[in-house]
This record gives sequence, structure tokens and C-alpha cells, in this order.
Amino acid sequence: GQSLEQPSEVTAVEGAIVQINCTYQTSGFYGLSWYQQHDGGAPTFLSYNALDGLEETGRFSSFLSRSDSYGYLLLQELQMKDSASYFCAVRDHGSGNTGKLIFGQGTTLQVKP
Amino acid sequence: EAGVTQSPTHLIKTRGQQATLRCSPISGHTSVYWYQQALGLGLQFLLWYDEGEERNRGNFPPRFSGRQFPNYSSELNVNALELEDSALYLCASSEEGRVNEKLFFGSGTQLSVL
Repeated sequence: GQSLEQPSEVTAVEGAIVQINCTYQTSGFYGLSWYQQHDGGAPTFLSYNALDGLEETGRFSSFLSRSDSYGYLLLQELQMKDSASYFCAVRDHGSGNTGKLIFGQGTTLQVKP
Repeated sequence: EAGVTQSPTHLIKTRGQQATLRCSPISGHTSVYWYQQALGLGLQFLLWYDEGEERNRGNFPPRFSGRQFPNYSSELNVNALELEDSALYLCASSEEGRVNEKLFFGSGTQLSVL
């Protein structure tokens, strides 16, 4: 089977840095994805890490350690608009080669002024 | 370029009825995924279609079914609705059927079962 663990809530102030962790357990691991979802909106793709290390995209960075089955999303210079839910996701290959993308339960980030 | 579109935006049904939800993927995308998101919860995988075929199915009862049409649009049908089926149903598309991590989501259909 597969599972992803991430904190349910994180609170930070505007301008700060916040790290959202994700640990996973899955078969046939290919990489870790991150999605952002504003309240009631469509989830949007943020990043994908297939290899160990840090990937930076503007204010957002994502890290992966395959040996530790762990990754995180780092948000810098927080803005009010970053208040949203953040989901990590992995591809599950438990059923042959027709994998499906499995999402964690999501971390609700609240940015305060 | 138009994104993933879903209809209707909201749907209200009563227990025992059937619901039909529709999804149009981004032009050129052949894969369509369906997810259920109950209030405050994560995305639960429902179904994955590619090139008109069902490629994978989540842990949902058979009354959840769907299909993909030749133009790659898709339909999700939920029969014998139960109160716990109330949720946001999200459709997503991707460029190809094999391993593809970047899904493009629609804004969803909010299904309320009374």
C-alpha cells in the first residue's frame, strides 16, 4: 500500500519562511509532487522532485530525500495570498504499470499579517 | 487556451437518485482523472481514463462509474446516491496516459446529497 503524512495545519506571519513536510510510503517510487489549493478552488501543480535535492521556483522550493522517504515544500517571503492548502502526492504503481496519483490529506497554511 | 472545464458547478440531489458529472480536458490531453474531496479532506482517487479506456480505479463501490468519449471528455456517474457522497468532485487531465506527474484540475462539481 501507500501512504503520505503531512501536518494538518501550519500558521506563519507575512514575510516569514515556512516548511511543510511530507513523509511517504509507497511501492515503485518515482517522485514527489506538490499542489496548492485555495479554498474551494482547483488544485494547481507547484513542483515535482524525482531526484534528491532542492528544486527552486521563485519563492517556492521543494526538497526530496529518497533514502529518508521524505520531502518538504519551502515557502519564502510569505504573502497573504499563500494562505491555502498544500498537498504532496506520489504515483502509486501497486497495480502493474497503470499508476494513479495519490494525494496526502493536505496542510492548511494560514498566513497572518 | 481553455483549462479543464467541469459541469455543473453545483448539483443537488436526494438520496437514491443518480448524478452525472461532466468534464472536458485541456485540448490535446488524452488522460482524465476523477477525484473526490470531502469537506476538509484530501483528494481521494476515483477513476483514471486514457484513450477511452479505464486504466485504474480507486477504492469506491461499483455505483461510481464513468466513461471517456472519443473526444476525450469524460462523465462520472454516481448511482443510488448516499448522504456521504456529498463532496467536491474534481476532474483533472494530463498530456499522456503513462507516468505524468503534472495534472491540470478543473474547479470541480460540488455535489450535495440531501
